[in-house]
Amino acid sequence: QLQLQESGPGLMKPSETLSLTCTVSGDSIRSRSYYWGWIRQPPGKGLEWIGYIYYSGSTYYNPSLKSRVTISVDTSKNQFSLRLNSVTAADTAVYYCARVNYGLVYFDYWGQGTLVTVSS
Amino acid sequence: EIVLTQSPGTLSLSPGERATLSCRASQSVSTTYLAWYQQQPGQAPRLLIFGTSRRATGIPDRFSGSGSGTDFTLTISRLEPEDFAVYYCQQYGGSRLTFGGGTKVEIK
Repeated sequence: QLQLQESGPGLMKPSETLSLTCTVSGDSIRSRSYYWGWIRQPPGKGLEWIGYIYYSGSTYYNPSLKSRVTISVDTSKNQFSLRLNSVTAADTAVYYCARVNYGLVYFDYWGQGTLVTVSS
Repeated sequence: EIVLTQSPGTLSLSPGERATLSCRASQSVSTTYLAWYQQQPGQAPRLLIFGTSRRATGIPDRFSGSGSGTDFTLTISRLEPEDFAVYYCQQYGGSRLTFGGGTKVEIK
């Protein structure tokens, strides 16, 4: 059974760098059939795609966040990570990691999500 | 960027009724790349439909998807108590991915 689990700090200060890790179990992150992605959801609002990565390291980012986002993969640990620079209160959200179907580009398995709050 | 507009914002229905949710795109979307998700309060979204009309594993057949071009529809034929939730459409095109703003299906 595939499981994804986000981990990282829940509270941050403005201007800091957000770092989250997603640990994948039940599937290899080296699978050629999937990307591995991040999505966020501000409290009470809709979903926003952040980006996704292929096991080879190829990345695809939301243009609106591209200047501040880095997604990386560690195949030895079966993990992938998100870094978001210079956070503000507008980055407060539940952050989800998810598996992305390579061919049809949809999210078929999701982590439970982790709330990141940016506050001074 | 393709903008997805979902309507209505809220749909108030009774169990057993039919729900019809709309997702309209600002530009044409390939039917290959249109998906629907259900989100219950406090939970992660769950994939319902991909490729416009293909049900994900374990999704009951009361859920169906249709559409083409700029107009897509999610239909729930007979609402069960567990179907009251928020629904999102999602598209992929030109290396960009966007979600609609969501439709809340609430108990009338």
